[in-house]
Amino acid sequence: ETGVTQSPTHLIKTRGQQVTLRCSSQSGHNTVSWYQQALGQGPQFIFQYYREEENGRGNFPPRFSGLQFPNYSSELNVNALELDDSALYLCASSPRENRDTQYFGPGTRLTVL
Amino acid sequence: LAKTTQPISMDSYEGQEVNITCSHNNIATNDYITWYQQFPSQGPRFIIQGYKTKVTNEVASLFIPADRKSSTLSLPRVSLSDTAVYYCLVAGVYNFNKFYFGSGTKLNVKP
Repeated sequence: ETGVTQSPTHLIKTRGQQVTLRCSSQSGHNTVSWYQQALGQGPQFIFQYYREEENGRGNFPPRFSGLQFPNYSSELNVNALELDDSALYLCASSPRENRDTQYFGPGTRLTVL
Repeated sequence: LAKTTQPISMDSYEGQEVNITCSHNNIATNDYITWYQQFPSQGPRFIIQGYKTKVTNEVASLFIPADRKSSTLSLPRVSLSDTAVYYCLVAGVYNFNKFYFGSGTKLNVKP
């Protein structure tokens, strides 16, 4: 069984640019959540997608947006990048039978210069 | 929003049992308690999850008192490879709670 995968592994962008991060959920999982983790801090919840719709959102501005596709994979889009957006972006998927449990991918390290 | 409080750091020695406690006074009825382990620059790894009383799996035990306002992760006979940050997460999708990880507990296992 393949776990949660994320791409790319690392990414460097400049201020004002836009970025798209991708996540493939684990087989049998239909819920995907995205987190931002700054250095030395715990993961911060961005939003969650369930059945292709946003299902809960944390304290992030609208320039953070997402999508979930029919195969339950997901994208995180960030517009107008700021220096403070530099972080590890984590994707987590949850199984149909227990949506309270999340399994995380390895993350995408985004650096904004 | 179910916020959690954990010790910032803990030290232990190889072979010892380690107990990490998390306080979550405003836990909601439908919230579950989940513990994760995270190594630097990696995603958190699921350790154990519970709702009440005691849960045990092959790597850890989770103790939850009747009022559910706290929980204790117990790691038996730790090794150097258990050095990591441990997070307590209290949330439930059916309440559409926002998942709050907090700062975690940095466990340092010494030889």
